[in-house]
Amino acid sequence: SNELTQPPSVSVSPGQTASITCSGDKLGDKYACWYQQKPGQSPVVVIYEDTKRPSGIPERFSGSNSGNTATLTISGTQAMDEADYYCQAWDRNTAVVFGGGTKLTVL
Amino acid sequence: EVQLVESGGGLVKPGGSLRLSCAASGFTFSNSNMNWVRQAPGKGLEWVSSISSSHSYIYYTDSVKGRFSISRDNAKNSLYLQMNSLRVEDTAVYYCARGGPGRLTSRTYYFDYWGQGTLVTVSS
Repeated sequence: SNELTQPPSVSVSPGQTASITCSGDKLGDKYACWYQQKPGQSPVVVIYEDTKRPSGIPERFSGSNSGNTATLTISGTQAMDEADYYCQAWDRNTAVVFGGGTKLTVL
Repeated sequence: EVQLVESGGGLVKPGGSLRLSCAASGFTFSNSNMNWVRQAPGKGLEWVSSISSSHSYIYYTDSVKGRFSISRDNAKNSLYLQMNSLRVEDTAVYYCARGGPGRLTSRTYYFDYWGQGTLVTVSS
C-alpha cells in the first residue's frame, strides 16, 4: 500500500515536545518530508529528506524515519507552531503521496 | 526571490473546462520540476500532477488521468493545467509548487516553494 496515515489531531502544552507520526508500508525505505500549513496560507516545507531543515526553519523542528513510521518532532512548542502538518513521500508506483494531515493544537 | 503566481480559477459547471496557469519568477524555471497540488475546502493536500524540467516525465494522480493535462512553456516561465470534464469533486484550491533539487523520480522528491493558490469551483 502507498497510503500514509497520520493522526487527525495532536495536542501539546506550550514549551513541551510535540510528536506527529506518519505511517506507511516500508516508509523507512523511502524519504519523508513534512509541511506546515497555517489557516489561509500555503504549505511550507519544514523537514525534507527525513531529517533536513530548510533555511529559516527553527531548530526546534526535527524529523526521523525508520521502519514504517516517520516522525516530526517539535521541541519547546510555541503558540506559533499551531497549524496543520502533512507528511509526504515519493512512491514509484503512484509518484507523490501525502498523509491526511494532523492538526496540532497548542493548549 | 522565488515567486509562483497561479491564475485561471473560477466557477465552472460540471463537465466544463478550465485552464490554470502558474507564472514563475526568481529562479531558473527551465531547470525545475513543477507540480500541481490541490486542497478541497476543509480537506487535506492532494497531489495532482508533476512534470519534469525537460518534459520527459509526466505523472498524474489516478482520479484526473484522461481529464487533466499538465504542460509547461520554459520560454515563458509558465506552468499550465488543462482541466476537462470537470466534476464537483474537483472543487479545490489548486497550488503550483516547485520541486526540490534532484530528479522528479527521486525518492527524495518534495516541494520547496508553493504559490498562493487559485480556487476552482465546480457547481451547477
